[in-house]
Amino acid sequence: KAGVTQTPRYLIKTRGQQVTLSCSPISGHRSVSWYQQTPGQGLQFLFEYFSETQRNKGNFPGRFSGRQFSNSRSEMNVSTLELGDSALYLCASRQEQGVQNIQYFGAGTRLSVL
Amino acid sequence: AQKVTQAQTEISVVEKEDVTLDCVYETRDTTYYLFWYKQPPSGELVFLIRRNSFDEQNEISGRYSWNFQKSTSSFNFTITASQVVDSAVYFCALSEVLTGNQFYFGTGTSLTVIP
Repeated sequence: KAGVTQTPRYLIKTRGQQVTLSCSPISGHRSVSWYQQTPGQGLQFLFEYFSETQRNKGNFPGRFSGRQFSNSRSEMNVSTLELGDSALYLCASRQEQGVQNIQYFGAGTRLSVL
Repeated sequence: AQKVTQAQTEISVVEKEDVTLDCVYETRDTTYYLFWYKQPPSGELVFLIRRNSFDEQNEISGRYSWNFQKSTSSFNFTITASQVVDSAVYFCALSEVLTGNQFYFGTGTSLTVIP
């Protein structure tokens, strides 16, 4: 079974631009979560989607948005990029949204904002 | 307040030494799960173990063992006879029903095993 796939792996953008990151979950998984990881802030939760609906949301500005498609694939969008958005963005999928369900992570997209 | 605290930011050990990574959690829920993940330099978090709040039995898997104590709200991870390949960042996480089954991660412990 293929794991969680994130594309692209690396991205370089300039301030003010927008970016879209993609995540394909493990087959059969209906929940997708996004995290931002930076050296100073650690792993921070962005949002979780389940069956195309946002179920949980972290404390990030409205510039960060996401969506999930009917095939469970998810995209994350960041508009008006700032230097501080440079980070590793990780996607995780789990079968259901139950408390016991293990999250499986992709390799991440490393975004650099210049 | 932090729901998961990993007080050790960085640890260095010499190969073959044992090392324990601490994790303290905070929850008002009675049903919750605890997890450990390993993040090697490649970046992908790798799942290691899951433990539910009703099962305090310790678990051993090869050189890895976990000690879950509800009385102290701790879920510590011990690596016996450490190896260079164990060098990574280790994260402890909590998932609880009360907050919609969202995952809460600690800040991670960076382990370096020196050959």
